[in-house]
Amino acid sequence: SQQGEEDPQALSIQEGENATMNCSYKTSINNLQWYRQNSGRGLVHLILIRSNEREKHSGRLRVTLDTSKKSSSLLITASRAADTASYFCATTSGTYKYIFGTGTRLKVLA
Amino acid sequence: KAGVTQTPRYLIKTRGQQVTLSCSPISGHRSVSWYQQTPGQGLQFLFEYFSETQRNKGNFPGRFSGRQFSNSRSEMNVSTLELGDSALYLCASSYTGTSSYEQYFGPGTRLTVT
Repeated sequence: SQQGEEDPQALSIQEGENATMNCSYKTSINNLQWYRQNSGRGLVHLILIRSNEREKHSGRLRVTLDTSKKSSSLLITASRAADTASYFCATTSGTYKYIFGTGTRLKVLA
Repeated sequence: KAGVTQTPRYLIKTRGQQVTLSCSPISGHRSVSWYQQTPGQGLQFLFEYFSETQRNKGNFPGRFSGRQFSNSRSEMNVSTLELGDSALYLCASSYTGTSSYEQYFGPGTRLTVT
């Protein structure tokens, strides 16, 4: 079963707008990571946030983590057409496996 | 550094056959994980190998097996293929495999079972 559930399942925005997607998980975690996947290809790591961190930035990406609510959000600012992809959160919880969420399909319209 | 490579990229098999997929991790990476991705179930963890030992396993039947060689290259095997095994199979490598390190994914092998 999936540890993470992303919300929304699909998102369509105009270029230049911000995109926000959320991830909820069920158990305590060591860290949470966000990945991007283009058109059924391999995943690309975007950002990792540790369980003792609340916010992290990387370029146009901003990730927040609320361990009390077991949730995380990924904000992409000033979206570009090239950001069109599926975004997944992945959690690890002490074992050597990553549990991925169901993904958010983002479409950025030019 | 060369990325994670997977071969073959596409594969068509018939029910009942078996298949072997190969993954070459990034040089220096000792951990290799395998995932199955389907539209219905999403990304599901199959197993993870570190220094030739399986360290963790997901909830898949015994028809799915894997191994890792001394050069960290890994193979996964699926025996007695079923239609439901049609999926994108992804492998990912990481430096130590601890949860602190990001995973680098290969492009995947798309398996179609007819």
